[in-house]
Amino acid sequence: TQLLEQSPQFLSIQEGENLTVYCNSSSVFSSLQWYRQEPGEGPVLLVTVVTGGEVKKLKRLTFQFGDARKDSSLHITAAQPGDTGLYLCAGDTRNNNAGNMLTFGGGTRLMVKP
Amino acid sequence: ETGVTQTPRHLVMGMTNKKSLKCEQHLGHNAMYWYKQSAKKPLELMFVYSLEERVENNSVPSRFSPECPNSSHLFLHLHTLQPEDSALYLCASSQDQARYEQYFGPGTRLTVT
Repeated sequence: TQLLEQSPQFLSIQEGENLTVYCNSSSVFSSLQWYRQEPGEGPVLLVTVVTGGEVKKLKRLTFQFGDARKDSSLHITAAQPGDTGLYLCAGDTRNNNAGNMLTFGGGTRLMVKP
Repeated sequence: ETGVTQTPRHLVMGMTNKKSLKCEQHLGHNAMYWYKQSAKKPLELMFVYSLEERVENNSVPSRFSPECPNSSHLFLHLHTLQPEDSALYLCASSQDQARYEQYFGPGTRLTVT
């Protein structure tokens, strides 16, 4: 069973601060995705990283995939209250018979206070 | 138009009841998934359907029974559930085997009393 560990589990910061969330595994993934989930809703895909060492930016969010494709980080610059939510990483283990299979991390619950 | 819809959004049922959760995707995808999200546990994959054929069953108890009548609809039939089955049940879809992005519905919050 592949395990994805996210840290920290909880993070409460003031508006304007920077933060980094980590997603680590001992397994190699074909790709890794980051989702954000708000209360009462399903996860919404933010980004997919595929290549080892890849960096993707989405406005104030920067995503990086580790060189060995075992870990990833999400950095938020100048956090805003609208960034509040549960951030989930998910590693893709490709199964040719079953489509893609995602293993999810436990999530990081972020609260950004005004 | 919302890509993946789920009904009902909230459900309270007794342990002897039978109910069904419904998921519909409007994205033209070929694969659909059921997940369980409990407090303090990661999202757990329950079932996978690809081209309407079940391809994965992650050791889910038989009191959960999925059904995929066509590529746009997915059901989860529930019977004789336990209180520990209370959770958020999420449906997702992806384009096909080669595409790894999954699109989630809003979920059904299930409470078993």
